Amino acid sequence: EDQVTQSPEALRLQEGESSSLNCSYTVSGLRGLFWYRQDPGKGPEFLFTLYSAGEEKEKERLKATLTKKESFLHITAPKPEDSATYLCATIRGDYKLSFGAGTTVTVRA
Amino acid sequence: GAVVSQHPSRVICKSGTSVKIECRSLDFQATTMFWYRQFPKQSLMLMATSNEGSKATYEQGVEKDKFLINHASLTLSTLTVTSAHPEDSSFYICSARPGTVNTDTQYFGPGTRLTVL
Repeated sequence: EDQVTQSPEALRLQEGESSSLNCSYTVSGLRGLFWYRQDPGKGPEFLFTLYSAGEEKEKERLKATLTKKESFLHITAPKPEDSATYLCATIRGDYKLSFGAGTTVTVRA
Repeated sequence: GAVVSQHPSRVICKSGTSVKIECRSLDFQATTMFWYRQFPKQSLMLMATSNEGSKATYEQGVEKDKFLINHASLTLSTLTVTSAHPEDSSFYICSARPGTVNTDTQYFGPGTRLTVL
């Protein structure tokens, strides 16, 4: 069974203080890894899909990277509007997603 | 593009009643839709997968007679919680995978908060 573990559970940052979130996984035959952002009381918002070790994707202040065992989401110079829960998920051949528990990021002005 | 809507956004019902939640893909056709539930401060747990025109497949431990799923068209799937009880109170979220392009990406709806009294 796929296992997806995210750390830390919570992260409190000062505005402008860069940091990284970790997503480690144990899957049989990884097809892909997703990052989503979820605001309280809302559905997840798609950020990135990564397929191969060494792949990187960027969007504004966010950059996602992938290795054979883990993925990182780097937040550069965060702003208060980057406060959210960030979820990673692995995908199988039947398109089913297995989610980690998420990292809740709070950015203080 | 890739917008998914859910209706209602919030519902409160009495124990023993049934509640229907709609999930629509607004600007794309979705051959596959997924239903998740999320408890407070926990991640999303997949309940079932629905493919247009066929029966839904349920994850282990999910009662198919309690959570009825219908995927009648390429843009609409419904989840009916039958004889709801307080323990069914949760945040229900659907997602849809575009069927006309080769993509793994699932787009999520805004969720439905169900409270059973």
